[in-house]
Amino acid sequence: EDQVTQSPEALRLQEGESSSLNCSYTVSGLRGLFWYRQDPGKGPEFLFTLYSAGEEKEKERLKATLTKKESFLHITAPKPEDSATYLCAGLSYNQGGKLIFGQGTELSVKP
Amino acid sequence: ETGVTQTPRHLVMGMTNKKSLKCEQHLGHNAMYWYKQSAKKPLELMFVYNFKEQTENNSVPSRFSPECPNSSHLFLHLHTLQPEDSALYLCASSQQTGGETQYFGPGTRLLVL
Repeated sequence: EDQVTQSPEALRLQEGESSSLNCSYTVSGLRGLFWYRQDPGKGPEFLFTLYSAGEEKEKERLKATLTKKESFLHITAPKPEDSATYLCAGLSYNQGGKLIFGQGTELSVKP
Repeated sequence: ETGVTQTPRHLVMGMTNKKSLKCEQHLGHNAMYWYKQSAKKPLELMFVYNFKEQTENNSVPSRFSPECPNSSHLFLHLHTLQPEDSALYLCASSQQTGGETQYFGPGTRLLVL
């Protein structure tokens, strides 16, 4: 069964303290790995799509990487405005356009 | 309006009420989706429409009835809901259903009493 697991469930950082969020996937025939950011009471906001192992993408303080089994979202020198829940989702060849989401990592960055 | 919009943003309804959620996308996309997001659980796909045709129903109870009159509008009709149906209901759209990036609306927070 296709599955996406994110860790940790919650992460508390001090402003400027870099860290990484993990997304492990068992998705048959992975077609793409998506990262979204979700603020409380709002819909997910698209961040990145990664298509093949070794691929990296960056946006401001965020950098996403992909291996054959997992993806990492690296946050460099985070600021309080980076506080949000980060969602990871896998897209399988076997399930058409269906995204399989993880449960998310709730990030809190304190000043 | 830009992106994906949803109305209402908040809804409280009794178990015997009938209500509808509305979604509109201004991105020129052809595929639209309904998701359910419950606390501490992954997003659950409910329905998929591609060029107005339903292509997926993820074993959703019949008390949820989707409608897609055109590629820009999507409705979710609700009747005789249960308290466990309380959740954030999210609409999304993509160019097609082949794996393109899905863009989400702000959601409707539903409370069933």
